[in-house]
Amino acid sequence: AQSVSQHNHHVILSEAASLELGCNYSYGGTVNLFWYVQYPGQHLQLLLKYFSGDPLVKGIKGFEAEFIKSKFSFNLRKPSVQWSDTAEYFCAVKGDNDMRFGAGTRLTVKP
Amino acid sequence: EAQVTQNPRYLITVTGKKLTVTCSQNMNHEYMSWYRQDPGLGLRQIYYSMNVEVTDKGDVPEGYKVSRKEKRNFPLILESPSPNQTSLYFCASTLYAKLAGGELFFGEGSRLTVL
Repeated sequence: AQSVSQHNHHVILSEAASLELGCNYSYGGTVNLFWYVQYPGQHLQLLLKYFSGDPLVKGIKGFEAEFIKSKFSFNLRKPSVQWSDTAEYFCAVKGDNDMRFGAGTRLTVKP
Repeated sequence: EAQVTQNPRYLITVTGKKLTVTCSQNMNHEYMSWYRQDPGLGLRQIYYSMNVEVTDKGDVPEGYKVSRKEKRNFPLILESPSPNQTSLYFCASTLYAKLAGGELFFGEGSRLTVL
């Protein structure tokens, strides 16, 4: 069965710090990979996705992620975070029939 | 506007009182799914539907029922709610489950409290 692991439950950064959130997955077949963001009190919104091609994908709001097939990883990065990036971030893996989510990483950015 | 609509957004109920959370999408999506979100556990899939009249269990189906009589609607039914079903529920849809790169579109969420 496929599974998704997010290494950090809660990350606290100051504005302008760099961000990297880890995501590892377990799945035997072809996968599509996603990062979603959930701002306080809101629903999940897509940040970026990978399904083929260049393993470095760029998303909205300056986020990017790199797919490393050999490591089964899809880590999320941002060079310089802002206070408005405070949110919960979910990594997700889509197989044939469903999409599985990691437990989420709560990011708090201090002004 | 393309959207997934859930109702109610907030509900407080008592143990054993049947309730239904509705979900409707206007994007002609074939695939629909219900998730519950609990702190530290992320989103766990309850049920999903690949198309009309086709539903299947996710990871945590116990205590829930669904139906998919029409393409646009996918209601979640709690026949006899219990306090451990207190959670935040999200409905989501995508065009085709097997479509490469197709992301899920989420509803606004329904916060359910069972006393």
